[in-house]
Amino acid sequence: GEDVEQSLFLSVREGDSSVINCTYTDSSSTYLYWYKQEPGAGLQLLTYIFSNMDMKQDQRLTVLLNKKDKHLSLRIADTQTGDSAIYFCAESEGGSYIPTFGRGTSLIVHP
Amino acid sequence: EAGVAQSPRYKIIEKRQSVAFWCNPISGHATLYWYQQILGQGPKLLIQFQNNGVVDDSQLPKDRFSAERLKGVDSTLKIQPAKLEDSAVYLCASSPGQEFSYEQYFGPGTRLTVT
Repeated sequence: GEDVEQSLFLSVREGDSSVINCTYTDSSSTYLYWYKQEPGAGLQLLTYIFSNMDMKQDQRLTVLLNKKDKHLSLRIADTQTGDSAIYFCAESEGGSYIPTFGRGTSLIVHP
Repeated sequence: EAGVAQSPRYKIIEKRQSVAFWCNPISGHATLYWYQQILGQGPKLLIQFQNNGVVDDSQLPKDRFSAERLKGVDSTLKIQPAKLEDSAVYLCASSPGQEFSYEQYFGPGTRLTVT
């Protein structure tokens, strides 16, 4: 199976919270990331979390890490139409830090 | 500061032709990466440079792909000859150094279509 798995689509109403989930298989993952990709653009690093952390908050973004279940989530509060994009979960091991990406979750925000 | 620049943005070629992509990283960034992103998938690393030396090219199909970063700044990625399965977006990224590979800055990518 894939090293990093995430659901392909999520549709939310503007103003609601979005929660994008991800699972990974590598227990030696050191960093876990969330990237955003808008149409026709490259990837933008939104946030990352060290594996010894449970939670990280940055303005409207909250990342939760359950290391036991190898589960990572990204919560976007007060989702706006500008948040519509593909969100990639990724993990890397210490040493190389090269991220292994999931297939991406397409977030659609409708009025 | 200026971001990672890539050109061309789009390229259409026939199979068996050759193509080259160019990348200019963020000024001062020592580490440069090339990724291949096939439609519907996440990016996969092709090659990583530290200054003008190759750190990791284990995933680069060396029979047809080559890359160089001669002066430790700009980089080119070449495919010769191209196959249909090479159709993808080729992303260039940079980071201040290898130890900062967790913080990579991506360019807009070059979308290659091989017909």
